[in-house]
Amino acid sequence: DGGITQSPKYLFRKEGQNVTLSCEQNLNHDAMYWYRQDPGQGLRLIYYSQIVNDFQKGDIAEGYSVSREKKESFPLTVTSAQKNPTAFYLCASSIGLAGHNEQFFGPGTRLTVL
Amino acid sequence: AQKVTQAQTEISVVEKEDVTLDCVYETRDTTYYLFWYKQPPSGELVFLIRRNSFDEQNEISGRYSWNFQKSTSSFNFTITASQVVDSAVYFCALGLPEGQETSGSRLTFGEGTQLTVNP
Repeated sequence: DGGITQSPKYLFRKEGQNVTLSCEQNLNHDAMYWYRQDPGQGLRLIYYSQIVNDFQKGDIAEGYSVSREKKESFPLTVTSAQKNPTAFYLCASSIGLAGHNEQFFGPGTRLTVL
Repeated sequence: AQKVTQAQTEISVVEKEDVTLDCVYETRDTTYYLFWYKQPPSGELVFLIRRNSFDEQNEISGRYSWNFQKSTSSFNFTITASQVVDSAVYFCALGLPEGQETSGSRLTFGEGTQLTVNP
C-alpha cells in the first residue's frame, strides 16, 4: 500500500531536548511538507521540500530544522529553541509544489513537552 | 495575501440531518484551487475534493455536495443525511499555482469546523 508513515505516534520530550520526527513516503512524490496543528486551529506550514537536498522555510520555521537526503524521507527536528513545541505534527507529500496538487497526509505525531 | 475563513467552529447535528459547512476565501489571484479535507479522530487528513477557479459547477459525490460561488468567494460543503461516521474536523484550503504563493505557503488552511453527528 502506498502512503505516508510517521513515527512515533506519541512523543514526550523534556524541556531543552531536541527530538526528531520521522516521515517516510512511498508514493514517489517529489514534494514533502511539515505542518503544525494546535488545538482548534488550522495547519501552519513549517518547512517544505521540492526535491532531494533542497528545502525551504514555511511560515513558522523558527526552532525547527529538516533534511531531505532521500526522496522518501523528510525528518523534522524540533530543537530546544522552539519555545512552545507541544502540538500535533503532520507530514504531507504531493506530486509537485504547484497549488493544484492534492496533498497526502500521514497519521501525525503528537509531541508533548514535559 | 490569501485567507480562508471557516466561521463555524463547531456544529452538532443529529443523525440524518443535513448540514452545511461554510468556507469563505480571499485572494487577489484569478487562478486558484480550493480543497476540502476531512480529519477524523485518528488525525490523518483525508482529501475530499479539489476545485479550480474556472470551474463553478457544483459537484455531488454520494451524500456530499459542494457549492462554489465566485461572486461571494465561497466554497460550501453539504453533507446530506449525516451519519455518525461523518464526525470529524473539516478543513477548507486555498492553493495557488506555483510561483504565485507567498511566504512559501502552498496551501492556506482555514481553522476547521468540528462536526459532531449524534445518534
